[in-house]
Amino acid sequence: GAVVSQHPSWVICKSGTSVKIECRSLDFQATTMFWYRQFPKQSLMLMATSNEGSKATYEQGVEKDKFLINHASLTLSTLTVTSAHPEDSSFYICSARGGGANEKLFFGSGTQLSVL
Amino acid sequence: AQSVTQLDSHVSVSEGTPVLLRCNYSSSYSPSLFWYVQHPNKGLQLLLKYTSAATLVKGINGFEAEFKKSETSFHLTKPSAHMSDAAEYFCVVSLTGFQKLVFGTGTRLLVSP
Repeated sequence: GAVVSQHPSWVICKSGTSVKIECRSLDFQATTMFWYRQFPKQSLMLMATSNEGSKATYEQGVEKDKFLINHASLTLSTLTVTSAHPEDSSFYICSARGGGANEKLFFGSGTQLSVL
Repeated sequence: AQSVTQLDSHVSVSEGTPVLLRCNYSSSYSPSLFWYVQHPNKGLQLLLKYTSAATLVKGINGFEAEFKKSETSFHLTKPSAHMSDAAEYFCVVSLTGFQKLVFGTGTRLLVSP
């Protein structure tokens, strides 16, 4: 079946540094990718929707200058957390939509970000 | 706006006994409803989805869910639990298919031998 690969699975960084998370669709073309964030014991919250070749659409309350999303190809989207702070520590999950007429959605395994 | 409430944060069952994971939704219009499962260190996997066709939806691995509009519920069931069913389960609602998914807080299913 289709697989979405997300890397890294966990990352620890110092406050003020930037972290890039990659989301790749391995065997299908993902016209749309989604980025979610999950705080402990809370539900996944949609951060942004990313369409290949165009600017991402951010949900209300999500800082687009802090969470930079690039979707340069049909198989790769990246999320960069810029100038990370401890409050950005969270679990980030991407998903990719594809499948043509038989639309499906596939999720990555997530990235645990810890900012010290 | 739509939302989902998963009534139990944890459910514990013995292997071979029935599973019931409860979910109530709120939506102004006819929603699409999903159940996803997440095993440790793996991506979310779609178990089943309801999109206004049959109210009883059969999914993978023996799971099924029934859409009850009068009760605004979409509970997930399985007749007999297996050890491999231990995981986190998310009830999800959407008005636009796979766009703008709204997740519940999840239910952790524990299966004991």
